[in-house]
Amino acid sequence: QKEVEQNSGPLSVPEGAIASLNCTYSDRGSQSFFWYRQYSGKSPELIMSIYSNGDKEDGRFTAQLNKASQYVSLLIRDSQPSDSATYLCAVNIASGNQFYFGTGTSLTVIP
Amino acid sequence: GAVVSQHPSRVICKSGTSVKIECRSLDFQATTMFWYRQFPKQSLMLMATSNEGSKATYEQGVEKDKFLINHASLTLSTLTVTSAHPEDSSFYICSALSLAGANYEQYFGPGTRLTVT
Repeated sequence: QKEVEQNSGPLSVPEGAIASLNCTYSDRGSQSFFWYRQYSGKSPELIMSIYSNGDKEDGRFTAQLNKASQYVSLLIRDSQPSDSATYLCAVNIASGNQFYFGTGTSLTVIP
Repeated sequence: GAVVSQHPSRVICKSGTSVKIECRSLDFQATTMFWYRQFPKQSLMLMATSNEGSKATYEQGVEKDKFLINHASLTLSTLTVTSAHPEDSSFYICSALSLAGANYEQYFGPGTRLTVT
């Protein structure tokens, strides 16, 4: 079983809609959770980090963490074509230097 | 957020030569840096974990004698691809751990696109 699992997509949403990206992880000792955005041909960019259960909002982005169910999600409100990218979920176990990445979900926002 | 730079951004070399890629943390000190490789339309693949002042830890299947990693200071790690071959052509990305409160966050450099002819 992979440490971090994501639906590879592709996920398509119309412009202005809410895009919902989901991620599950296997290690209950996981402490830190991250969402990265990677445009084609570019390196990943950290867009959200979340450390405790509940929601964390930053502009149009909301990260949701549920440690009991071992999932973390990213909501993108008012999706824009510029949000079209691959979104990577990452988990840090035991606040050390072990990070596990999902394979990414490809998002396309249709104008 | 923390800033990580890489140099060069793009390099073309002949088969059999060596190429060095530098990764720098610009506004923070990083005791740990990572090196990844990514082929087109594929996932990130962790190659090695680089710790300042000690030997790098390589992932299974990555040849440590071919991919030499040096992390001599808290702001610089280098990856040298020795005796490069066309199959080594890829997008190489470094990242560095930055301490944010009690948690570590990982920031990526912009990547180096290597083409071996």
